[in-house]
Amino acid sequence: DAGVIQSPRHEVTEMGQEVTLRCKPISGHDYLFWYRQTMMRGLELLIYFNNNVPIDDSGMPEDRFSAKMPNASFSTLKIQPSEPRDSAVYFCASSTSGGATDTQYFGPGTRLTVL
Amino acid sequence: SQQGEEDPQALSIQEGENATMNCSYKTSINNLQWYRQNSGRGLVHLILIRSNEREKHSGRLRVTLDTSKKSSSLLITASRAADTASYFCATMDTGRRALTFGSGTRLQVQP
Repeated sequence: DAGVIQSPRHEVTEMGQEVTLRCKPISGHDYLFWYRQTMMRGLELLIYFNNNVPIDDSGMPEDRFSAKMPNASFSTLKIQPSEPRDSAVYFCASSTSGGATDTQYFGPGTRLTVL
Repeated sequence: SQQGEEDPQALSIQEGENATMNCSYKTSINNLQWYRQNSGRGLVHLILIRSNEREKHSGRLRVTLDTSKKSSSLLITASRAADTASYFCATMDTGRRALTFGSGTRLQVQP
């Protein structure tokens, strides 16, 4: 299994630009999560999906952030327009509701720097 | 928002010693999980303990859970230099699938 795949691994952009982060969950997993990690706030949930439907987006900072999951194997997190305070590492994770495990499997993350 | 605090924030020990990290949380949980993060890398799942369990073992790891005190501990026995990393506890609240992470403990194991 390839694990959770995220792209790009690093992104440097200028304030005001649109940024799109991508995630491919583990095949067969029906839950997908987006988390953000910063020094100040630690690891925090942004949004999660179940069967491609957003379940909880209460962690999405503001309207500049949007996330989609058009199919079971792909999700995007978009920031438009980006601001320097969005600089962070963004993690995607997936899990399955099948079986007795609630383990989440994390991707390697996308390190975003907004100048 | 973060669920709670981890204690200590940083821990430095010698190889071969045991390392104990503590985690407190605030809500009613379904399970509690521990993750490891090497510097600049993603999170790796270590162990999961359910709310009706009190202790769990996996290799050199031992996790305890006290739901009455809303606390958990992670013990790493016979530590190795390769155990150097940050360790996070994460709780899954009842009725919710997302994780709420603690602030993490930075463990340094000196060879």
